[in-house]
Amino acid sequence: NAGVTQTPKFQVLKTGQSMTLQCAQDMNHNSMYWYRQDPGMGLRLIYYSASEGTTDKGEVPNGYNVSRLNKREFSLRLESAAPSQTSVYFCASSPGGTDHGYTFGSGTRLTVV
Amino acid sequence: DQQVKQNSPSLSVQEGRISILNCDYTNSMFDYFLWYKKYPAEGPTFLISISSIKDKNEDGRFTVFLNKSAKHLSLHIVPSQPGDSAVYFCAASGTYKYIFGTGTRLKVLA
Repeated sequence: NAGVTQTPKFQVLKTGQSMTLQCAQDMNHNSMYWYRQDPGMGLRLIYYSASEGTTDKGEVPNGYNVSRLNKREFSLRLESAAPSQTSVYFCASSPGGTDHGYTFGSGTRLTVV
Repeated sequence: DQQVKQNSPSLSVQEGRISILNCDYTNSMFDYFLWYKKYPAEGPTFLISISSIKDKNEDGRFTVFLNKSAKHLSLHIVPSQPGDSAVYFCAASGTYKYIFGTGTRLKVLA
């Protein structure tokens, strides 16, 4: 089925460990996004890529890095995980511009202990 | 500073009645607004949108109203069904990206 695929679905990390969250879309969308969802905070933008070859910081970029590997893939890296990064992470894509809705993946639930 | 606010964290409505979810924003430059619905353990799914040049948009049981002067939008669901129980997020467009509200958990009681 067409859509946005995120891996892994669940992950437990120890403080200080690193990991990369993977995201791929097969809709030929230009723009991709990483959000985190925390209780009472809604969805907050971490990083986005308006088009292949570009990335920009969102509202909460500290502690994260991203790579737009190609048009399909956009990864999020935690270099040294902290308990404050315990969250549910969502990847999304859109054709581009702001008159199109996003298609979201099903999320990665990350716990940092 | 929260640019998009959903001041009601939760709402309960009887099946068959109207559900009204509210959203306020602060940036008058926002020009496109969307509502998303989210079930547990799933990603948000697009529900309905409205451009700032309109004040109403309907899609079946769902209607979104936009009041630009008040910087307020609302989502009406009529009639509400138990399957509508979910978290609803409003979002407003900034440059290249959307800003989301904190969400309202709707519970439709059978």
